Amino acid sequence: GAVVSQHPSRVICKSGTSVKIECRSLDFQATTMFWYRQFPKKSLMLMATSNEGSKATYEQGVEKDKFLINHASLTLSTLTVTSAHPEDSSFYICSASRDGMIQNQVQETQYFGPGTRLLVL
Amino acid sequence: DQQVKQNSPSLSVQEGRISILNCDYTNSMFDYFLWYKKYPAEGPTFLISISSIKDKNEDGRFTVFLNKSAKHLSLHIVPSQPGDSAVYFCAASANAGGTSYGKLTFGQGTILTVHP
Repeated sequence: GAVVSQHPSRVICKSGTSVKIECRSLDFQATTMFWYRQFPKKSLMLMATSNEGSKATYEQGVEKDKFLINHASLTLSTLTVTSAHPEDSSFYICSASRDGMIQNQVQETQYFGPGTRLLVL
Repeated sequence: DQQVKQNSPSLSVQEGRISILNCDYTNSMFDYFLWYKKYPAEGPTFLISISSIKDKNEDGRFTVFLNKSAKHLSLHIVPSQPGDSAVYFCAASANAGGTSYGKLTFGQGTILTVHP
């Protein structure tokens, strides 16, 4: 299956600093990538949809200036948490979409990265 | 507002028996539903999906049932195996037709434990 990587897998930073998380599709080109956030024992919450070469579309309630998304190439999207605070501590997961064969039919599928655990002290 | 709900945080099943994971949704615009499986420290992996034009989709040991009138879907795993132990998420999309489903809304997940 398609592989999506995230780096770093875990990061601890001081309050007020910025943290960049990378999402890469390793063996396919993804025109669309998604960024999710997961709180403990909660569902994955979509933060934004990132399209290569254009501005990201943010979900309601997600601060654009706080969570900067750049999708510079078909295989790389980055999420930068700016001026991080303890409440930004969370599990961030990206996904990249591509067409695949699902039960003998062409179907777009989202492939998820392993996630990044962010802890802001 | 939780539009997709998995009300059972956990489920424990004996190996060989059937596992039934449930999911409810409130948004009548959802027309495509997916189940994902997630192991610790890994991202979710796609399991099976169903379009709202169907009420059942089967793939090997996994069957998803959709009851549109009740806004309810379920995932049946039979027979259950210890390797099925993971967190299962249902997700929904309000994309009308085509092969692209785009934005997903996830449930909270259900931890399935299959005992040998």
